[in-house]
Amino acid sequence: DVKVTQSSRYLVKRTGEKVFLECVQDMDHENMFWYRQDPGLGLRLIYFSYDVKMKEKGDIPEGYSVSREKKERFSLILESASTNQTSMYLCASSLDDVVNEQYFGPGTRLTVT
Amino acid sequence: DAKTTQPPSMDCAEGRAANLPCNHSTISGNEYVYWYRQIHSQGPQYIIHGLKNNETNEMASLIITEDRKSSTLILPHATLRDTAVYYCIVRETSGSARQLTFGSGTQLTVLP
Repeated sequence: DVKVTQSSRYLVKRTGEKVFLECVQDMDHENMFWYRQDPGLGLRLIYFSYDVKMKEKGDIPEGYSVSREKKERFSLILESASTNQTSMYLCASSLDDVVNEQYFGPGTRLTVT
Repeated sequence: DAKTTQPPSMDCAEGRAANLPCNHSTISGNEYVYWYRQIHSQGPQYIIHGLKNNETNEMASLIITEDRKSSTLILPHATLRDTAVYYCIVRETSGSARQLTFGSGTQLTVLP
């Protein structure tokens, strides 16, 4: 079974802090994704990566950056956390573009105070 | 604009079949229909996908109408653990359209 793990289930940070959310997948998938999920807004794509060192903006990239130095790891970075970035963050991976079954991690609930 | 339309909520008795509808009247010829579900406090889980033909796997069956404008996800014997939000998504097969766009889904509640 594909396993996607995220570094923390719950995280509390202060406004202005730099925040790193880590995601690791163990199935050699090419594509990796970061979403955030908020009540009433569903899942929204922040960034995705289709190869090492490659990244593309999703629907809501503002205030975020990403890093993919190794195939199995995709990091989401909040350069200066703000309260409106309090959310559930979900990482996903998929093997390739043809079918694109996405496998999701358990999520990180980030609270910015 | 939303590509899919789903009822916001449905109930189903435990042990019965749960039939979740989805309308996708603007679907194009190269778009697949995907179904995912999200159990409370977990990440979404892939269920099934299809293009034209009906599909079945160990989790569910997907019935797509001949004109491809709607589909139905069938959970043949719903259990309490199937209570979740179910998302119907249409997506192109390849290329730059790698992302999935999740709508608001259907909250399925399986009742004992």
